[in-house]
Amino acid sequence: GAVVSQHPSRVICKSGTSVKIECRSLDFQATTMFWYRQFPKQSLMLMATSNEGSKATYEQGVEKDKFLINHASLTLSTLTVTSAHPEDSSFYICSARTSGGLRSYNEQFFGPGTRLTVL
Amino acid sequence: DAKTTQPTSMDCAEGRAANLPCNHSTISGNEYVYWYRQIHSQGPQYIIHGLKNNETNEMASLIITEDRKSSTLILPHATLRDTAVYYCIVRVANSGNTPLVFGKGTRLSVIA
Repeated sequence: GAVVSQHPSRVICKSGTSVKIECRSLDFQATTMFWYRQFPKQSLMLMATSNEGSKATYEQGVEKDKFLINHASLTLSTLTVTSAHPEDSSFYICSARTSGGLRSYNEQFFGPGTRLTVL
Repeated sequence: DAKTTQPTSMDCAEGRAANLPCNHSTISGNEYVYWYRQIHSQGPQYIIHGLKNNETNEMASLIITEDRKSSTLILPHATLRDTAVYYCIVRVANSGNTPLVFGKGTRLSVIA
């Protein structure tokens, strides 16, 4: 149990286009989802925290109008990179937190990541 | 703000035990020690966590010093598939919306 999926696993797009990344909790309900970004040879950096049905909270330095996050249901959150540029090329990882019960001590589960390349 | 300190990298021979240290000298009484690992181009994977007692599961053992200022993750028989970056994180368990904050971790290379 406790599986988090992401789609797509990798995407290549042209500069100026928008890209949507989906994050799903497959066998549990996620009241909170987190989005991280990871550049080559660096650690994961938290971008934002989203709670189902409310606006996301962005970390300092992350543009909320560029990285649109929607957490419309307890099993789905989306990250849309708008007007993507080459510097947005990165590995994007989502994480979902259970609302309790399922192995509650290990309450944050990670997706496999999405590699975005902007040409 | 780095609450943990880990060596940048370590090597381990295949089949031997891998001992990964972590210093967390400012850990609070209600904070747990969590270990995650990240294999190249994958999402982080939970390994183990503990408060003050030593813990063991099917993946690893966690040894926490009596003063809780440091810990060691032990992979008893390392395989090539254990090559990954290992992250030691301290946080309050079941802490609501507080996300896991990753440091730089230790890059473990298991060598045949």
